[in-house]
Amino acid sequence: GQQLNQSPQSMFIQEGEDVSMNCTSSSIFNTWLWYKQDPGEGPVLLIALYKAGELTSNGRLTAQFGITRKDSFLNISASIPSDVGIYFCAGRRGTGTASKLTFGTGTRLQVTL
Amino acid sequence: GAVVSQHPSWVICKSGTSVKIECRSLDFQATTMFWYRQFPKQSLMLMATSNEGSKATYEQGVEKDKFLINHASLTLSTLTVTSAHPEDSSFYICSASLGGRSKNIQYFGAGTRLSVL
Repeated sequence: GQQLNQSPQSMFIQEGEDVSMNCTSSSIFNTWLWYKQDPGEGPVLLIALYKAGELTSNGRLTAQFGITRKDSFLNISASIPSDVGIYFCAGRRGTGTASKLTFGTGTRLQVTL
Repeated sequence: GAVVSQHPSWVICKSGTSVKIECRSLDFQATTMFWYRQFPKQSLMLMATSNEGSKATYEQGVEKDKFLINHASLTLSTLTVTSAHPEDSSFYICSASLGGRSKNIQYFGAGTRLSVL
């Protein structure tokens, strides 16, 4: 099935640095979601975006819904060791309970002290 | 966020046997649940959409007779991997949609790691 392109694929950063990652699609989505997955666990929702141009924060995390509705960005400020994990974007076209998600390829984040 | 429980978290079985995985929404009712499969270092791939009281909808390429889904109540969906083979070894994750103010966001279980010997 279709996957969204995420970049970078992986990144090593030092504690305290800011992190930026993005997700792009060839088609439009009406909802963008960002999840974090720790090893051996299911994804945990970080931020949900519902409107083109929307900028939403959750603590040190900030995400934006691109104006074209074909992309989204996630920023993490002042990274800490527990930020380590895989970050997935997911796009959704519908709004009902049965609306499917299309996941991105993932960005693996590793934080060094 | 909403709580989705998945059981077991890890299962090892012999080739040819069947394995059942349970997905429960603990603090809300879910008319729709989803089943995903994830291979190491890869993203989540949707296998099927589980609908309470009706047949599941399978994604292209997923064998419905191989992966049996039952959604008998508003809080429980089960995935049965029938006649499992080593190539079925994978990480299986379920999710449930929370409606209302949560706008049908999918919340995920912790996953089940299946190893077929």
